[in-house]
Amino acid sequence: GESVGLHLPTLSVQEGDNSIINCAYSNSASDYFIWYKQESGKGPQFIIDIRSNMDKRQGQRVTVLLNKTVKHLSLQIAATQPGDSAVYFCAETPGYSTLTFGKGTMLLVSP
Amino acid sequence: DGGITQSPKYLFRKEGQNVTLSCEQNLNHDAMYWYRQDPGQGLRLIYYSQIVNDFQKGDIAEGYSVSREKKESFPLTVTSAQKNPTAFYLCASRTSGRWGNIQYFGAGTRLSVL
Repeated sequence: GESVGLHLPTLSVQEGDNSIINCAYSNSASDYFIWYKQESGKGPQFIIDIRSNMDKRQGQRVTVLLNKTVKHLSLQIAATQPGDSAVYFCAETPGYSTLTFGKGTMLLVSP
Repeated sequence: DGGITQSPKYLFRKEGQNVTLSCEQNLNHDAMYWYRQDPGQGLRLIYYSQIVNDFQKGDIAEGYSVSREKKESFPLTVTSAQKNPTAFYLCASRTSGRWGNIQYFGAGTRLSVL
């Protein structure tokens, strides 16, 4: 979801649960999407990407789903661990050299 | 050890002062980017460069300047014209080509005003 002011939407889960982080993108011409993870005080770290000719892509413990009809992207994290606690950003591009970033979702994992 | 190096990690600016943030990459990437991040916000693009000696303004270029004299270096100057410079600044780079738009980030520089 989108943040309001300084407050990020937050998802709180228990260790071992599956997490789903959602992102609504804005540009219907976007054909490439990336998820990033950012830990406090660090730079964003690439997690997984997906092209518009795909609906689903899986990585290690992560799955990205793309619904172009409603311009929605989701990141699923299986068996969430405390080390997964971070802010997660989606980014989109219509094939240009720049990315447009969403405002992020904070994931809090409690033991 | 390959990657993107930003320095310094913390920087303080006095009123009316210009400060320069360093970004160096040894990934042999053609394109480099500067972003600004405010608390609880996403990344906003300041400037980017796709090739040496060329750069383009991003969404919030006012009060900032850049140069790209070498492929591996893309310094950002925060000028005195930037009235609200306090933020976390991130540098990124990516290889060229339409696909593979993955941008890789440095660890960031946190700029504060004294």
